[in-house]
Amino acid sequence: GQQVMQIPQYQHVQEGEDFTTYCNSSTTLSNIQWYKQRPGGHPVFLIQLVKSGEVKKQKRLTFQFGEAKKNSSLHITATQTTDVGTYFCAGDYNQGGKLIFGQGTELSVKP
Amino acid sequence: DVKVTQSSRYLVKRTGEKVFLECVQDMDHENMFWYRQDPGLGLRLIYFSYDVKMKEKGDIPEGYSVSREKKERFSLILESASTNQTSMYLCASSLHVRGSRDTQYFGPGTRLTVL
Repeated sequence: GQQVMQIPQYQHVQEGEDFTTYCNSSTTLSNIQWYKQRPGGHPVFLIQLVKSGEVKKQKRLTFQFGEAKKNSSLHITATQTTDVGTYFCAGDYNQGGKLIFGQGTELSVKP
Repeated sequence: DVKVTQSSRYLVKRTGEKVFLECVQDMDHENMFWYRQDPGLGLRLIYFSYDVKMKEKGDIPEGYSVSREKKERFSLILESASTNQTSMYLCASSLHVRGSRDTQYFGPGTRLTVL
């Protein structure tokens, strides 16, 4: 069945360093979504990528969708302490709204 | 703003008890979901519902059942709680846009401990 693998599981960075998390799907995706969960909070939608090769930016966050629509990445430039949390990718295989979530990458930022 | 609420933030139950987790959304969303979240395993789908009285099993339905009698409410039932069901339970809803591209809105979560 469909599976979304996300790495790394944890990332510890010094404030100001960059951060990247990667997601890989076993099969072609309809679209991929990214969510952020702050410590003690719940996942909150960040962005959705639909087109092959799509790149979207939100301030210091850059999201990419692979040409084959099977992988995606989230890159944060110059991390800040407010970036702390767990980032999840979620694959949409056009199954009536059902998403397959990756395992998440927990980001900690040392001031 | 979409609001998804869950009946409890924290719950402590004993092994063998019947447990009800309630979720309510106020945006007339078609789809509702129950996930459990465990460290290192991400969000795993237990059940979802795409309409009143309709439900589908997710990836880990064993030991759980659900009920959706009204569009805004989706209940998760643990018929006989066991210690391995200690977890964070998250409810979510989505509009069900035709052709997918749904985004999900999550409730605050219920941290369930089974003793």
